Amino acid sequence: AQSVTQLGSHVSVSEGALVLLRCNYSSSVPPYLFWYVQYPNQGLQLLLKYTSAATLVKGINGFEAEFKKSETSFHLTKPSAHMSDAAEYFCAVSRTGGGNKLTFGTGTQLKVEL
Amino acid sequence: EAGVTQFPSHSVIEKGQTVTLRCDPISGHDNLYWYRRVMGKEIKFLLHFVKESKQDESGMPNNRFLAERTGGTYSTLKVQPAELEDSGVYFCASSLAGTGAGYGYTFGSGTRLTVV
Repeated sequence: AQSVTQLGSHVSVSEGALVLLRCNYSSSVPPYLFWYVQYPNQGLQLLLKYTSAATLVKGINGFEAEFKKSETSFHLTKPSAHMSDAAEYFCAVSRTGGGNKLTFGTGTQLKVEL
Repeated sequence: EAGVTQFPSHSVIEKGQTVTLRCDPISGHDNLYWYRRVMGKEIKFLLHFVKESKQDESGMPNNRFLAERTGGTYSTLKVQPAELEDSGVYFCASSLAGTGAGYGYTFGSGTRLTVV
């Protein structure tokens, strides 16, 4: 079985500050890990994914995440927040190889303040 | 290319009524998935089609939910009769044949269903 825990349902940062959204996973097999973002009134958009290649993954809009097996974590970071980053962010896990289901966390709403 | 299209975008129905949600995947995508997010909770998998066949329907909550994918193109998700706890946002996603989550799905914008 797989699961994802996102710490903090709401995170608020100042514009220009570091963004850190936390995600811990549980998986009995090597996982694939994902971050999705949902902007208001839009669908889920893939930010980045880890599929057992480089542990530091770079995504769109300046976001990156690092897979740390020893900590079972896949935290999302961005050095400098922009107002346009305000959205809801979801961490997700799936099995490698076959098995197409995504298991999502409960989401983190990011607020960016001036 | 056109993305994954879902409609309606919003639906408000009374308890006991029937609602049908539709998803048009990206043309040529054999894989089609339905997910649901109930208010304040995580997005949960409902089912997976490969063309017109149900590959995995382990997430369907009960027999009031019926999903079809006629001809392997668009898919419908019918809820009959709807209950209050069915309220939420229903997402559809698609991907190419032979690919899955590891390649990243393309999600639609979702249908927000409210049962009153």
